[in-house]
Amino acid sequence: EVQLVESGGDLVQPGGSLRLSCVASGFTFSSYAMNWVRQAPGKGLEWVSTISGGGGTNTYYAGSVKGRFTISRDNSKSTLYLQMNSLSAEDTAIYYCAKGGALYGGKSRGGCDYWGQGTLVTVSS
Amino acid sequence: DIQMTQSPSSLSASVGDRVTITCRASQTISYYLNWYQHKPGKAPKLLIYAASSLQSGVPSRFSGSGSGTDFTLTISSLQPEDFATYYCQQGDSTPYTFGQGTNLEIK
Repeated sequence: EVQLVESGGDLVQPGGSLRLSCVASGFTFSSYAMNWVRQAPGKGLEWVSTISGGGGTNTYYAGSVKGRFTISRDNSKSTLYLQMNSLSAEDTAIYYCAKGGALYGGKSRGGCDYWGQGTLVTVSS
Repeated sequence: DIQMTQSPSSLSASVGDRVTITCRASQTISYYLNWYQHKPGKAPKLLIYAASSLQSGVPSRFSGSGSGTDFTLTISSLQPEDFATYYCQQGDSTPYTFGQGTNLEIK
């Protein structure tokens, strides 16, 4: 059974940092691209970042987080990370880890077929 | 960035109704279009990928169509468990933008 379990969400002050983790099981983690998607309170889903499978050579970011967030993976631990720096109130959201889709030259095919339950990040003083 | 526009933003329907949600891309995205269902407090669920392919385990009352810029999600006969928010997402180029969502409510 595929499982994705996020952790690391917390209350943090504006300008602060946080690292989210997502532990995967039930599939060959290294073979798949992985994603972070967030949902701010009362808002819709927002794509945040994607990392390619294998060594994670290719990474992609939403404009709103580029330069502040870093996605990475440790295949030996089947774990996906999101390092978040310079946080602001606009980053307050539930952050979901999601498996897939297949990346081909920047195109993502197949959609995110498994999602975690999310971890809540609150940025407030 | 590619903008994804869903219509309607909200919809009231009854059990047994046929429902169609549309999604329009601001530029052509071929078939790189996915549909998700999201219920409060739950993880989003992939329904349709590549515009018209039904994800494994998803009931056949869900179907998707379209290519290029115009796409539709159809639920042939609404069931009580289908009341949720539905999102389209494009995978043609980053940022992989979502539509704003369609909130499907019970009439």
